[in-house]
Amino acid sequence: EIVLTQSPGTLSLSPGERATLSCRASQSVSSNYLAWYQQKPGQAPRLLIYGASSRATGIPDRFSGSGSGTDFTLTISRLEPEDFAVYYCQQYGISRITFGPGTKVDIK
Amino acid sequence: QVQLQESGPGLVKPSETLSLTCIVSGGSITSYYWSWIRQPPGKGLEWIGYIYYSGSTTYNPSLKSRVTMSVDTSKNQFSLKLSSVTAADTAVYYCASHLYRSGYYHDAFDIWGQGTMVTVSS
Repeated sequence: EIVLTQSPGTLSLSPGERATLSCRASQSVSSNYLAWYQQKPGQAPRLLIYGASSRATGIPDRFSGSGSGTDFTLTISRLEPEDFAVYYCQQYGISRITFGPGTKVDIK
Repeated sequence: QVQLQESGPGLVKPSETLSLTCIVSGGSITSYYWSWIRQPPGKGLEWIGYIYYSGSTTYNPSLKSRVTMSVDTSKNQFSLKLSSVTAADTAVYYCASHLYRSGYYHDAFDIWGQGTMVTVSS
């Protein structure tokens, strides 16, 4: 099983600031099969990024993903009010799909 | 646009079997892979397993002994059964479809149901 660790646990920022979220895997994620999701309270998760760096349909270009192997990053270039939420990474490089514990981005 | 809707009892007794159904609308169940994912209150996400319309399944090894998934193509729906439930199975249960891009399926989830809360309690 690949264990994903996300940091920081909570990120306190102001609208307009840049957010950098980290996801580290316990072993290399094959073919960079790493996805990012956004979840707001009471809602289902929303797919933002797949394949480490490809944006899902309808996702604004202020969201970008990067990384390879065991280290991945989600960057939100300028936080909008609607971006304050919890973000999860997920690996699907092996048959057992796993999620990270999440990073909460809240308003400073 | 495909939409998903979970249904099933909101309360299940310990040791009994949890049964949920996901109805697929706006598209054919034969077009995608389908997963169940759960989220205990205030906690993170756990993938339970996925099924293809042919009936082929892959389960999370940690739950495999208790999980059964099935598909009914005539009703455009798929189902989850989780046996011998305990309080640790209390969670919001989501059904989701796998992303299809560039000619193949990713095990990332681009369409989700709204989720259904299931509480295990006597």
